[in-house]
Amino acid sequence: DAMVIQNPRYQVTQFGKPVTLSCSQTLNHNVMYWYQQKSSQAPKLLFHYYDKDFNNEADTPDNFQSRRPNTSFCFLDIRSPGLGDAAMYLCATSRESSNQPQHFGDGTRLSIL
Amino acid sequence: GQQVMQIPQYQHVQEGEDFTTYCNSSTTLSNIQWYKQRPGGHPVFLIQLVKSGEVKKQKRLTFQFGEAKKNSSLHITATQTTDVGTYFCAGRGSSNTGKLIFGQGTTLQVKP
Repeated sequence: DAMVIQNPRYQVTQFGKPVTLSCSQTLNHNVMYWYQQKSSQAPKLLFHYYDKDFNNEADTPDNFQSRRPNTSFCFLDIRSPGLGDAAMYLCATSRESSNQPQHFGDGTRLSIL
Repeated sequence: GQQVMQIPQYQHVQEGEDFTTYCNSSTTLSNIQWYKQRPGGHPVFLIQLVKSGEVKKQKRLTFQFGEAKKNSSLHITATQTTDVGTYFCAGRGSSNTGKLIFGQGTTLQVKP
């Protein structure tokens, strides 16, 4: 089945130690998104790629970066995680950026020690 | 900037009772989407509304888009325990590049 796959499901890292979360898709969608979701809150968009074009949200900390080496894969890099970065990170895809539903992966729950 | 407000934040109902969640945008929307997130799960797309005054039904779920395209509602008739989860509306502004703005979500609990 076509889907959005996130690895790992759970990630533990130390305060200040860089961490990378990965997302892959078999839907061949143009757009890939990274969201941060904290407990009992709505998903918060960090950035998205429209094909190779990177779009950063104005309030996304510099600590967060992303790479999309090809259509299928997208990575979220957190350079120096702080305690406040503990959250669920959701990857989503859509065919294009308007009038299309977003398909979410299962998410990676990040814990910071 | 554009905001999407959703109420109530939590709703507890007895199985068989109806449930409604409301969404209001500070600006006119080009469309609105609804997602359901089960506990421990990820958001799953339910439906999209595009036209002013549009009403769509999915079995016991009824979705409405306001005439001014600034508000929307989701109504569930005769809730079941399988309806448990958080329901998010997500609006897309008419002037932005297509970014979805999520409401805060309404978490529904159903007592059997």
